[in-house]
Amino acid sequence: DTEVTQTPKHLVMGMTNKKSLKCEQHMGHRAMYWYKQKAKKPPELMFVYSYEKLSINESVPSRFSPECPNSSLLNLHLHALQPEDSALYLCASSHYDPGAEQFFGPGTRLTVL
Amino acid sequence: SQQGEEDPQALSIQEGENATMNCSYKTSINNLQWYRQNSGRGLVHLILIRSNEREKHSGRLRVTLDTSKKSSSLLITASRAADTASYFCATDRGGGFKTIFGAGTRLFVKA
Repeated sequence: DTEVTQTPKHLVMGMTNKKSLKCEQHMGHRAMYWYKQKAKKPPELMFVYSYEKLSINESVPSRFSPECPNSSLLNLHLHALQPEDSALYLCASSHYDPGAEQFFGPGTRLTVL
Repeated sequence: SQQGEEDPQALSIQEGENATMNCSYKTSINNLQWYRQNSGRGLVHLILIRSNEREKHSGRLRVTLDTSKKSSSLLITASRAADTASYFCATDRGGGFKTIFGAGTRLFVKA
């Protein structure tokens, strides 16, 4: 299984809502990533988990809270978001090898009203 | 901040023609990768080239790397309409898991 799945595909939320994005992989990868991508822009790294521990946080606002419950799952908890947080959120995974090929999920299209 | 710049920003060609995209980066790297993204979807890995390699081939793709100029190019030969997508280079910024993507090139292949 070489697939990374993400749910939901689309999410619309208000600024006071709490929601979560989910990502799952069964490739045995021990590095997992969250990226944010605005329209016509490249993906921007948000967080990296290595062996279920947060290893990189690219100064992301605390209204985004990542969680890695086990080696296959990655969550991104959202709370009190702003309209400018509307974007495509991509999850990826890779072997624990810096610079290794990353496998991306299809993304969650988030709209904050 | 972005590690890489890519040019051209957009490229429109006819089917059967070759497409060349360039990427420049600022810091030392271990690997450089190229990814493709179809509109609004996830990225697909195309090819990885290590800092001690100068050229790599995969099917219709040819990647070159010049570490002295901190630049790379992606050549797609005999392009097809299905190659229409955005192409991004990505670097590891001297090692580690911090992946930085270039600005990307949007390729349009007309049938």
